[in-house]
Amino acid sequence: GENVEQHPSTLSVQEGDSAVIKCTYSDSASNYFPWYKQELGKRPQLIIDIRSNVGEKKDQRIAVTLNKTAKHFSLHITETQPEDSAVYFCAASRSGAGGTSYGKLTFGQGTILTVHP
Amino acid sequence: NAGVTQTPKFQVLKTGQSMTLQCAQDMNHEYMSWYRQDPGMGLRLIHYSVGAGITDQGEVPNGYNVSRSTTEDFPLRLLSAAPSQTSVYFCASSWQGTTEAFFGQGTRLTVV
Repeated sequence: GENVEQHPSTLSVQEGDSAVIKCTYSDSASNYFPWYKQELGKRPQLIIDIRSNVGEKKDQRIAVTLNKTAKHFSLHITETQPEDSAVYFCAASRSGAGGTSYGKLTFGQGTILTVHP
Repeated sequence: NAGVTQTPKFQVLKTGQSMTLQCAQDMNHEYMSWYRQDPGMGLRLIHYSVGAGITDQGEVPNGYNVSRSTTEDFPLRLLSAAPSQTSVYFCASSWQGTTEAFFGQGTRLTVV
């Protein structure tokens, strides 16, 4: 099955700096890569996702890049703010042959991001 | 539109007791999943379902049962609770496996 490794496990930055979180995956058939943010005591929520037919996607201060050959993808947060402090999870899943989806999302271990004012 | 609703929010069980965690969604999503979240281990998939009447095991299925009799509901049953099942449990639903997953608010379970 799919295995997703996420690094670093903790990341501490100063407000205004950039933050980068990296993930690698094992299943070359994976084609959907979402990123979730989980604030303390809350549920995970999607912040950005990318599909295998795209190399990069950007949404304001957040961007995700995908390298299919190396099987890794990264989350980039620019101009970090204290409200970006949270746990971030990467994940991977894949559609089946003929367009059937499996619904099986495999998560990385998470990165605790702390942004100091 | 309530989204994904989990009950209860907190539960304490004694070793050997059984219970059911409830999960309901009102978005007509085909895909529903149960995850457990433990410190440093991310979200691990317990069981998932791709539609009513269809379920499959995830990464950590032992000690848990599921069924999917309707599109809306996906209950998770703990057959005989063990301290190793102390965790935060999240239910999630999505339109397809490769679309946004919406999570419930979580259930914090303690087994003593």
